[in-house]
Amino acid sequence: EPEVTQTPSHQVTQMGQEVILRCVPISNHLYFYWYRQILGQKVEFLVSFYNNEISEKSEIFDDQFSVERPDGSNFTLKIRSTKLEDSAMYFCASREDGRDQPQHFGDGTRLSIL
Amino acid sequence: QKEVEQNSGPLSVPEGAIASLNCTYSDRVSQSFFWYRQYSGKSPELIMSIYSNGDKEDGRFTAQLNKASQYVSLLIRDSQPSDSATYLCAVLYNFNKFYFGSGTKLNVKP
Repeated sequence: EPEVTQTPSHQVTQMGQEVILRCVPISNHLYFYWYRQILGQKVEFLVSFYNNEISEKSEIFDDQFSVERPDGSNFTLKIRSTKLEDSAMYFCASREDGRDQPQHFGDGTRLSIL
Repeated sequence: QKEVEQNSGPLSVPEGAIASLNCTYSDRVSQSFFWYRQYSGKSPELIMSIYSNGDKEDGRFTAQLNKASQYVSLLIRDSQPSDSATYLCAVLYNFNKFYFGSGTKLNVKP
């Protein structure tokens, strides 16, 4: 069964550095998402991406964040000038078009900011 | 801000019992509703979706939707210890944006 893949599984970075989290969505899916989950807290929506542009973003997704689909398969989340509070699990998800289509999640990247 | 509310639990049920998980949402425009299961340190995995009023059954799981009262529930029949996890309710808005509840932790005791 096709799945969403995320790399790396764990990223450790010094505060102030930039990180890029990578995702390969399921090939026939049209919508792509990034979520954040701080340890012990809820899954928080960051951004959705459709037709090569951002379609929705949350208040969390400020100028520090950007997303890109550099080729036909990868979907990346860049976090500039990381802060301690950026430490969290970051999940990528994708889905087909249609209101009853669920999101399929990758295994996540654990980001640790030191 | 759209709100999706769940009782954080933990909800403890004995093995073989029915577990009932509830979720309320704030926006009547919500289109579709999803239940996910999340084990500690893992990503959410889909259990089932529902978008029409009424019940939808899939194996031991039944989702119930009541749009007038703005709640959606999940029943797990014949609960097993392997069902012990956090259950997340997700609501789709604008065909494109999902909001998650904070999850209900379920403990199934052998």
